[in-house]
Amino acid sequence: DIVMTQSPLSLPVTPGEPASFSCRSSQSLLYSNGKNYLDWYVQKPGQSPLLLISVTSNRASGVPDRFSGSGSGTDFTLKISRVEAEDVGVYYCMQAVQSPPTFGQGTKLEIK
Amino acid sequence: EVQLVESGGALVQPGGSLTLSCEASGFSFTGCRMNWVRQAPGEGLVWVSRINSDGSDIGYADSVRGRFTISRDNARNRLYLQMDSLRVEDTAVYYCAGGTVDYYIYYMDVWGKGTTVTVSS
Repeated sequence: DIVMTQSPLSLPVTPGEPASFSCRSSQSLLYSNGKNYLDWYVQKPGQSPLLLISVTSNRASGVPDRFSGSGSGTDFTLKISRVEAEDVGVYYCMQAVQSPPTFGQGTKLEIK
Repeated sequence: EVQLVESGGALVQPGGSLTLSCEASGFSFTGCRMNWVRQAPGEGLVWVSRINSDGSDIGYADSVRGRFTISRDNARNRLYLQMDSLRVEDTAVYYCAGGTVDYYIYYMDVWGKGTTVTVSS
């Protein structure tokens, strides 16, 4: 199975400041069609997961453009340009290139 | 409103069985791939099983293969997870998740609120 490693595990951020989440995979997530199958989810306190970004950089419907995804191969990044209080939660990356899909351990975003 | 609603979670003894159900509404369930994902208390997300739109392609995590069975009833807009030979380590919130568009196999843009399974004597 592909192992997904996220860092940091905890990320305290002041509102209005940017935030950056790192995700690394044990194998390349590049498929033969040229796409890197890496998705990002957020799980806000007491809620179910919500899709933020699919295929490295495609924002899901309704996701603010403060959120952006980038990367290729084995290194990926989720960025929030200006953190808001409502962004608190645990952010997970998930590889979807190979079965079984596997999640990172999550990065907890906290507001300072 | 696009919605998935799980049900069937309960307290069950080790070795017991349970069937989870997930009812879809607000989107074309018939054309969607569906998954079950679980989350043990205080832990992260773990994929459990998948099924394609007509039930002809199914996959399982190694930890549940041979014990869990995924199925669907497109006429009733329902997804199921039959869980047998339950173990303490199967204790988790079980989420039903799927793709509302036919994008790629593990595209999951709609999730239910989850149903809790507790395996304990």
